[in-house]
Amino acid sequence: GAVVSQHPSWVICKSGTSVKIECRSLDFQATTMFWYRQFPKQSLMLMATSNEGSKATYEQGVEKDKFLINHASLTLSTLTVTSAHPEDSSFYICSARGGSWGTNTEAFFGQGTRLTVV
Amino acid sequence: QQQVKQSPQSLIVQKGGIPIINCAYENTAFDYFPWYQQFPGKGPALLIAIRPDVSEKKEGRFTISFNKSAKQFSLHIMDSQPGDSATYFCAAGIIQGAQKLVFGQGTRLTINP
Repeated sequence: GAVVSQHPSWVICKSGTSVKIECRSLDFQATTMFWYRQFPKQSLMLMATSNEGSKATYEQGVEKDKFLINHASLTLSTLTVTSAHPEDSSFYICSARGGSWGTNTEAFFGQGTRLTVV
Repeated sequence: QQQVKQSPQSLIVQKGGIPIINCAYENTAFDYFPWYQQFPGKGPALLIAIRPDVSEKKEGRFTISFNKSAKQFSLHIMDSQPGDSATYFCAAGIIQGAQKLVFGQGTRLTINP
């Protein structure tokens, strides 16, 4: 399958600082990217959906000013956690799909980023 | 109506056994049902997916059974191996659109040697 690379794999930051996580599609053009959050032993919770060149669509309850998503190119999306606090510590996962709107193409997941805020 | 309910939460099977994981959905607009395998500290990896126009799909040792009238689908793993020990997630989505997936709660599968 296609490769989606997420960087960094893990990061520790101080409370109040901002952290940027990158998600790259290495061998295909990702028209849509998704950002998920996963707490230990729990399911994936969709945070937002972004289409290249457009503003991200955030799920209910997700603070758009805290979790800034940029999808500036067809191969790169970034998630910035601003003014991070310990409760933002989690496993963040991106996924990407190519193809045009409505076509039957699957989404591929990155390896995830473990964020720890101290 | 957007929920996907997955069971069991955890499952222990002896090597060679056939673990079965079940999922149920409410939204009849869903037309794409993938299963993902996730190892600790890693992102989910797509195992197999099915559309509602078929009742069964097999890929290697993994089989999805789909019951459209009951709005249920299940994953069977044949000849299970210790390396299959992982967390499995079912999901549901709508192809005509952004393919936003709704995930089940996950099943932690352990295959004992």
